[in-house]
Amino acid sequence: DAKTTQPPSMDCAEGRAANLPCNHSTISGNEYVYWYRQIHSQGPQYIIHGLKNNETNEMASLIITEDRKSSTLILPHATLRDTAVYYCIVRVATNAGNMLTFGGGTRLMVKP
Amino acid sequence: GAVVSQHPSWVICKSGTSVKIECRSLDFQATTMFWYRQFPKQSLMLMATSNEGSKATYEQGVEKDKFLINHASLTLSTLTVTSAHPEDSSFYICSARSGTGVNEQFFGPGTRLTVL
Repeated sequence: DAKTTQPPSMDCAEGRAANLPCNHSTISGNEYVYWYRQIHSQGPQYIIHGLKNNETNEMASLIITEDRKSSTLILPHATLRDTAVYYCIVRVATNAGNMLTFGGGTRLMVKP
Repeated sequence: GAVVSQHPSWVICKSGTSVKIECRSLDFQATTMFWYRQFPKQSLMLMATSNEGSKATYEQGVEKDKFLINHASLTLSTLTVTSAHPEDSSFYICSARSGTGVNEQFFGPGTRLTVL
């Protein structure tokens, strides 16, 4: 699976949008971009995934560049409960045995 | 989303004893389950992958005789840490997937193991 690069940490003001970038310049055509987050002492939580098109759900929006070499996770109105480590992962989705490989992630701190 | 549970959520044991951690998929059948380990301030590291009814595949550096994995049914996998030592103290997280296709991988809440 392609490697991802994320900033180690970011701060965001409560109520503002949090934009978390991820570089995946070696992504291949059949790899999806997944985002998970891990709140302290909990298991990772699925947020969103996408292939080419931008995606939106009740938690976040995922913006993927046209060349697919980078993406941005957007939390439109960050709250204190969004403080967590956010992981960007690329993976071929059609192989059920293909596990998720976690990098360092971005530690997002939402401040009042 | 689908729910994965782990039991116990935390455990403290003496050095030399064995500890079993259960992972259950509550509302779906998990053909594949994964076990991760996470040390403080570090990312998750995959330990092993198990498919229902077959032997687990361990990552390099993970001792299969020390970390026994059983995936006896489509909803249950167990990880047994045998002859635990203080260096095995960690946060153990299981994850489950169902079938094939574009789908999410669901994670349990984790088990905090402390070996005295």
